[in-house]
Amino acid sequence: EVQLVESGGGLVQPGWSLRLSCAASGFPFDSYSMHWVRQAPGKGLEWVSYITSSSLTTYYAGSVKGRFTISRDNAKNSLYLQMNSLRVEDTAIYYCVRYGDHYDTSGNYFYFDFWGRGTLVTVSS
Amino acid sequence: QSVLTQPPSVSGAPGQRVTISCTGSSSNIGADYDVHWYQQLPGTIPKLLIYGNTNRPSGVPDRFSASKSGTSASLAITGLQAEDEAVYYCQSYDGSLSGPWVFGEGTKLTVL
Repeated sequence: EVQLVESGGGLVQPGWSLRLSCAASGFPFDSYSMHWVRQAPGKGLEWVSYITSSSLTTYYAGSVKGRFTISRDNAKNSLYLQMNSLRVEDTAIYYCVRYGDHYDTSGNYFYFDFWGRGTLVTVSS
Repeated sequence: QSVLTQPPSVSGAPGQRVTISCTGSSSNIGADYDVHWYQQLPGTIPKLLIYGNTNRPSGVPDRFSASKSGTSASLAITGLQAEDEAVYYCQSYDGSLSGPWVFGEGTKLTVL
């Protein structure tokens, strides 16, 4: 069974840093790209960051670029998000999400197939 | 404000059919990037509902279907049931953005 368990959230002040972790199990972690997606309280989903299976390529949403860093340790089956210079608007539940794929005669598809339960980050003075 | 536009809310009576639209542009849906749909029941995490524009993962009832045409996509739910009450999100890829994965703003489905 695929499991993604986030940790590291909490209450911090604006300008502070926080490091989120995601422990993966139940699948070959080193074969999958991963994402972080967040959801502000009562709001919709916002994609945050992406990393390939080998860590060679990363992408960031414009709202976090330069402040957040995604990384992974395949030996530990873990995904990370280092968040620096946190802002009030970064307050959200942060989900660790697997980038699944499906191949058939009609095409190759990539989508968010498994989600962790999330960890809440609250940025407030 | 998302590059994928969804109606904030839709509603329907049990047994009815409802549709949820997802309107994009030439840099995302219109560029032939796939559209996926996610269902978020109250108090739960998002769940993949439709992938690759029209495909249902195993376990998703065939009451849920989706289509894509031009710069838009649509999710249809037939035989509406109380347990379908949730927020539905479309998601695609936008080649014009440095951070290219995009979600619609979400549509709250209310079963009357």
